[in-house]
Amino acid sequence: DAKTTQPPSMDCAEGRAANLPCNHSTISGNEYVYWYRQIHSQGPQYIIHGLKNNETNEMASLIITEDRKSSTLILPHATLRDTAVYYCIVRVGWDYGGATNKLIFGTGTLLAVQP
Amino acid sequence: DGGITQSPKYLFRKEGQNVTLSCEQNLNHDAMYWYRQDPGQGLRLIYYSQIVNDFQKGDIAEGYSVSREKKESFPLTVTSAQKNPTAFYLCASSGRGGYGTDTQYFGPGTRLTVL
Repeated sequence: DAKTTQPPSMDCAEGRAANLPCNHSTISGNEYVYWYRQIHSQGPQYIIHGLKNNETNEMASLIITEDRKSSTLILPHATLRDTAVYYCIVRVGWDYGGATNKLIFGTGTLLAVQP
Repeated sequence: DGGITQSPKYLFRKEGQNVTLSCEQNLNHDAMYWYRQDPGQGLRLIYYSQIVNDFQKGDIAEGYSVSREKKESFPLTVTSAQKNPTAFYLCASSGRGGYGTDTQYFGPGTRLTVL
């Protein structure tokens, strides 16, 4: 699976949009981009995923560049409860022949939402 | 993660003792996973099971054992052969289809401390 690069930390003011970048320059055509977050001492929480198109759900939006080499997770109105480590992961899904469905976690981005 | 339970939340054991961590899911997922997380690090895959009565080693299986006798349950035993067992253990489950149905959802974790 391809690896990802994320900034180690970011700050965001409460109520503003938080834009978290991720580089995945070696991503393959059959690899999805997944985002999870982990609040201290809790299990990771799934946020969103996408393959080629931009995606939006009740939690966030995912913007994937046309060449798929980078993506941005957008939290439209950050709150203090969004303070967490955010992980960007790329992997092959089972629909594209992925064997293990293993998630490779890096060290992520620590997002600190400031009051 | 409301459909995945892990117990207990905190576990203390003496060095040299085996200990079993519980993971139960009611999401009707075929696949289940065990990850380990050390302070400041990402998650690493210990074992995974794609279907009942079948499981495979992940990246760091040495010193661990699992069983998958029921679809809902995937217990992890940390044996005395594991050199550094103190860690945060996370269980996850997923479907096995494509198009996002194989998204992994995590439990709340068990923090194991070996004294």
